[in-house]
Amino acid sequence: AQKITQTQPGMFVQEKEAVTLDCTYDTSDPSYGLFWYKQPSSGEMIFLIYQGSYDQQNATEGRYSLNFQKARKSANLVISASQLGDSAMYFCAMKVGGNNRLAFGKGNQVVVIP
Amino acid sequence: DARVTQTPRHKVTEMGQEVTMRCQPILGHNTVFWYRQTMMQGLELLAYFRNRAPLDDSGMPKDRFSAEMPDATLATLKIQPSEPRDSAVYFCASGLVATGPYNEQFFGPGTRLTVL
Repeated sequence: AQKITQTQPGMFVQEKEAVTLDCTYDTSDPSYGLFWYKQPSSGEMIFLIYQGSYDQQNATEGRYSLNFQKARKSANLVISASQLGDSAMYFCAMKVGGNNRLAFGKGNQVVVIP
Repeated sequence: DARVTQTPRHKVTEMGQEVTMRCQPILGHNTVFWYRQTMMQGLELLAYFRNRAPLDDSGMPKDRFSAEMPDATLATLKIQPSEPRDSAVYFCASGLVATGPYNEQFFGPGTRLTVL
């Protein structure tokens, strides 16, 4: 079964600095997708970025980028130029092959301070 | 702006009462997921529907939980009888069937359930 691990404790980040959130995964399936979601204090889950296992380049979406290291089975999220609105929980998730289920990690808490 | 909607947003009830949560998936989406989020367990998948048929409800306590899709625009999650340990945020998400690894799921705002 697939497994997602997010073990960082809560993080404080200075506004305008970059922050990296760690995510490691475990699957034996060669075809998989990795997702990051943001959950602000209001509670909604917001899709941020996707990386496919066969993608040759690291995914980027605005200030979000994914540091995908396939051999290490890691998919770290990098948020550049942090803003106060980036304060939230961030969840890494994985989908394997044709299975439409998403397996989520426990999340990383980020607090951006001015 | 297409969104998943969930009602109610908040529910406080007493132990033993029946609770029904509703979800309207995004029009055209053919997969619906119910998740439960707690501090201890994180996000857990409870049930998954594809084209209104339940494909996986292994994450759901069968004795008290039930999930249905009476039509393509409505999914329901029912707890009967409710217990304090059911207190959580329940999310509904919808998406399109994906044979490959890309499968963005769009989440609703959640129903915050408190069982006293």
